[in-house]
Formats: sequence, C-alpha cells, structure tokens
Amino acid sequence: QVQLVESGGGVVQPEKSLRLSCAASGFTFSNFAMHWVRQAPGKGLEWVAGTSHDGRNRYYADSVKGRFTISRDNSNNTLFLLMNSLRRDDTAVYYCALPSSGSLMTCFDYWGQGALVTVSS
Amino acid sequence: DTQMTQSPSSLSASVGDRVTIACQASQDITNFLNWYQQKPGKAPKLLIYDASNLETGVPSRFSGSGSGTDFTFTISSLQPEDIATYYCQQYDNLPLTFGGGTKVDIK
Repeated sequence: QVQLVESGGGVVQPEKSLRLSCAASGFTFSNFAMHWVRQAPGKGLEWVAGTSHDGRNRYYADSVKGRFTISRDNSNNTLFLLMNSLRRDDTAVYYCALPSSGSLMTCFDYWGQGALVTVSS
Repeated sequence: DTQMTQSPSSLSASVGDRVTIACQASQDITNFLNWYQQKPGKAPKLLIYDASNLETGVPSRFSGSGSGTDFTFTISSLQPEDIATYYCQQYDNLPLTFGGGTKVDIK
C-alpha cells in the first residue's frame, strides 16, 4: 500500500535552513508528480510546492519562492523540501502529498503524517 | 491566483441533518475542484474529486456539485464521525489553492 513518511522537522531559528524528506513506498515513485502542502497551527491548508515526475518542472507558492526548493531522488524514492531563510510564519506542519493520477494538476489522494517545523529563536 | 471562498466558516448541526457547504472560486475553474475532510491531528482525506466524483470507499452520504465558479458539498445525513473541517481545493491553475475551511460539529 502507498506510504509517505516525512522526516526532518524540528525547531529552527529564524533565517536558518532545514531540509524535509518524504520517503515513499508502495508505488512507482518515478512515475508520479509530488507536492508539499503545509498547515500553520490552527489555520487552513496551503499548497507550498510541486514537482513533475522527473523533477524537471518545479512550481512554488509566492510565499516561498526563492527560499524553498523542492527536489526528488527517484533512485531512492524520496522527495525533499529544502527551506532556507526561514521565517516565523513558516511554522507549520508540512505534508507531502501524492496525486494518484500522476499528474501535477489534480487532487491529492495520499498524504503523509506530516512533519512539524517550528521557527523560533 | 484563484481565490477560493468557503462558507460558512463553521456550523453546528444535529445528527441526521443535511449539511451544505459552499465554495466559490474567483474565476471559472470548470470542474477542477476537490473536497477534503480533516480531523484534528490528522492529514486531510480526499472525499470528492472533479467536483462531483466520490472517492472510492467514501460513504455515499457525501456528495458534491457545481461547475464554473460555484460549488456545493453536501452531507445528506450528518453522522457523529463526520465531525471535522472540510476544505475545497482548485487545480485549474497554479498556485493550487484551498478554501479557508468549514468546521462542522454536532449541535
């Protein structure tokens, strides 16, 4: 069955960096687009970034453009989110999400359990 | 960017009641609209895709309708396990955007 397991969350100071990972299993990872979606404490869902199946096409929310980088290692079935210049308003639970159709523009059928990132001095 | 406006932001209803949530897009998104359920401390769960298609395994009391800019999500008979926050999401264009959510609880 499909499994998405995020790791790498934690407490980080403002302006520092953090890298999240999402280990995928149960499907052919290299065939599917992947996304990151976040949720600030007590708030709604916000799409953060998405990548095509081969990693060539990457898209970002304006709020993270230029600071975050989505990437993937198809040989190790892992999705990454490198977060630089972190701000307090980046504090959130970060989910990796899989569209089962494989398409970048579609619904999120599968979600990880989430990784909490807290930006605080 | 396509703004998604959900209403109401919260509601209370009795078990067995019909519950309706509205989602309005700031521009025509055809039927590129999904609905999710999120329970506290859990990841969202896809319920409806392409505005009106029920995801496999989701109870038939959940339904969706609409096209263009106006969409509706309905629970035909509210059950205690339906207590959650519900979100709409458009995928007509980037950035993908979600509505602000509707928190549903039992009266």
